[in-house]
Amino acid sequence: GAGVSQSPSNKVTEKGKDVELRCDPISGHTALYWYRQSLGQGLEFLIYFQGNSAPDKSGLPSDRFSAERTGGSVSTLTIQRTQQEDSAVYLCASSPGVGLSAEQYFGPGTRLTVT
Amino acid sequence: GNSVTQMEGPVTLSEEAFLTINCTYTATGYPSLFWYVQYPGEGLQLLLKATKADDKGSNKGFEATYRKETTSFHLEKGSVQVSDSAVYFCALTLSANNQGGKLIFGQGTELSVKP
Repeated sequence: GAGVSQSPSNKVTEKGKDVELRCDPISGHTALYWYRQSLGQGLEFLIYFQGNSAPDKSGLPSDRFSAERTGGSVSTLTIQRTQQEDSAVYLCASSPGVGLSAEQYFGPGTRLTVT
Repeated sequence: GNSVTQMEGPVTLSEEAFLTINCTYTATGYPSLFWYVQYPGEGLQLLLKATKADDKGSNKGFEATYRKETTSFHLEKGSVQVSDSAVYFCALTLSANNQGGKLIFGQGTELSVKP
């Protein structure tokens, strides 16, 4: 079946502009996660959704970052007034549950470059 | 806090050599432990997992044993192949209250296998 998809695959933006990154999880998966992969910081958790609510936003680095999920499916990560340090690969993952053994399935990521 | 520490890479081996990638963790509570792999140009995918002490996860010839006494989850393979060249990430998850199974990753270890 279809895996997690993300769009765009690459995004180049100027400093100060807003960007939206999209994630389409695997159908039926209730949990959705955003992570960021950068050279300096490795793989970092950003935010977690269960259905349409976000019980854990602890990884969002600043109030310029926000995310929403609608219909228990598609999620959008928005970065306002982008900065160069926002350059990274943004990964989305979905999971059928949130138990300790629930596997997370990752999308291919969106590579964001802020110039 | 909760964290994962992996041996630094890159690791370069000849084909059919024995592989060990060390991973230790710090966690409050009883985590599940994972190894994820990222092949060149591909997304993160689960390699193996273990959910309780003394469990052994295995897949594709790779093994890792959950050692609570040493807080370790070292990855091993008896005979590596060129196709095993990738970046390997050790990770843990704690499902408590609203943590929702977010993954905490180590910094990743790049493995290069030469023919």
